[in-house]
Amino acid sequence: DQQVKQNSPSLSVQEGRISILNCDYTNSMFDYFLWYKKYPAEGPTFLISISSIKDKNEDGRFTVFLNKSAKHLSLHIVPSQPGDSAVYFCAASAREYGNKLVFGAGTILRVKS
Amino acid sequence: DTGVSQNPRHKITKRGQNVTFRCDPISEHNRLYWYRQTLGQGPEFLTYFQNEAQLEKSRLLSDRFSAERPKGSFSTLEIQRTEQGDSAMYLCASSFETGSNSPLHFGNGTRLTVT
Repeated sequence: DQQVKQNSPSLSVQEGRISILNCDYTNSMFDYFLWYKKYPAEGPTFLISISSIKDKNEDGRFTVFLNKSAKHLSLHIVPSQPGDSAVYFCAASAREYGNKLVFGAGTILRVKS
Repeated sequence: DTGVSQNPRHKITKRGQNVTFRCDPISEHNRLYWYRQTLGQGPEFLTYFQNEAQLEKSRLLSDRFSAERPKGSFSTLEIQRTEQGDSAMYLCASSFETGSNSPLHFGNGTRLTVT
């Protein structure tokens, strides 16, 4: 039962353009959503999060949008840089479930220079 | 470096052997989580502790797996009678639970290969 889905296994973007990574979830109990970035041979690194009471959160080049009615969130990276090339995981949690994270399968982002 | 530390980074073992991994969380964090990641998948939850109490274990965690956090600080994950299907990256994460949402901070993992 995949509660968090990232339907695009990979995405390729030109340096300087916008990268948009998408994520869908099925469990309406989720109240906190996060994006993690992972380089090879390293653990996931926290990038940005959003609470279910908001629809947008911004941190520098990274913005996360949440559409609760559609159970959809997206991560926008503007402008994209070659160092952004990594695997991006969407994750969700619910206070009722002990705040443990449920992850999507990840999207490989390649930023071409 | 005051991040989450995991040892060893790599472990190669023969099928049927026991292995133990260690995780040292960020010192002020009261929650500690174990996840497992296989190729092409996101991390999957295994178990978590609040201080020394193990609060939940996933159905993925067979009886060959046991985790402890004896003094509410570091944690160990033991796999007995390893099988080839246990080959994966084992990730540890910690967080400070305050009643409001906070992100998990991950270590760099232990990669287990069972031959």
